[in-house]
Amino acid sequence: DGGITQSPKYLFRKEGQNVTLSCEQNLNHDAMYWYRQDPGQGLRLIYYSQIVNDFQKGDIAEGYSVSREKKESFPLTVTSAQKNPTAFYLCASSTPTESYGYTFGSGTRLTVV
Amino acid sequence: DAKTTQPTSMDCAEGRAANLPCNHSTISGNEYVYWYRQIHSQGPQYIIHGLKNNETNEMASLIITEDRKSSTLILPHATLRDTAVYYCIVRAAIFNDYKLSFGAGTTVTVRA
Repeated sequence: DGGITQSPKYLFRKEGQNVTLSCEQNLNHDAMYWYRQDPGQGLRLIYYSQIVNDFQKGDIAEGYSVSREKKESFPLTVTSAQKNPTAFYLCASSTPTESYGYTFGSGTRLTVV
Repeated sequence: DAKTTQPTSMDCAEGRAANLPCNHSTISGNEYVYWYRQIHSQGPQYIIHGLKNNETNEMASLIITEDRKSSTLILPHATLRDTAVYYCIVRAAIFNDYKLSFGAGTTVTVRA
């Protein structure tokens, strides 16, 4: 079945360490997105990519980095520069030919101790 | 994209219809209304979308007012599994611009 896979589901890291969250899709979607969600809040856009080897900052890109070397993959690195990295991270993908908008992964819950 | 306003929370009895309102008074002519829902600790799930006409699918119905300034998502027979946060989003159908803005949404609790 087609979909988006995020791994791991839970991730624990020590303060000051960089950590990379994986996002893979087999939907052949062109665009991919990373969102951050804090408890009781909506989703905030971190980065998005509309095509391979290109990506743009979202509303809260500081302290994060991404790459888009393959259409299927859009990993997110949470760097030590991110002051409050503990959150729920969601990856999504979309394509202009599908009117339903986004397909989301199941998320990664990152806890920094 | 136009801003949307939703109630913070609402309760619904199991088996009854749940009517979720959304105001989008600044919506433009080319903007669609989308609804997603997010069950706890999962990714949001697409429910339905529409431009002008009312829409229905296997999950829900979407009623858009004639002036398009508000809409209502209807879950016809709510079940306990419908407990979730529901997001109303307005988005322009611009080719290759598919950024969606998710606000806090409406937390719907279905009670037995």
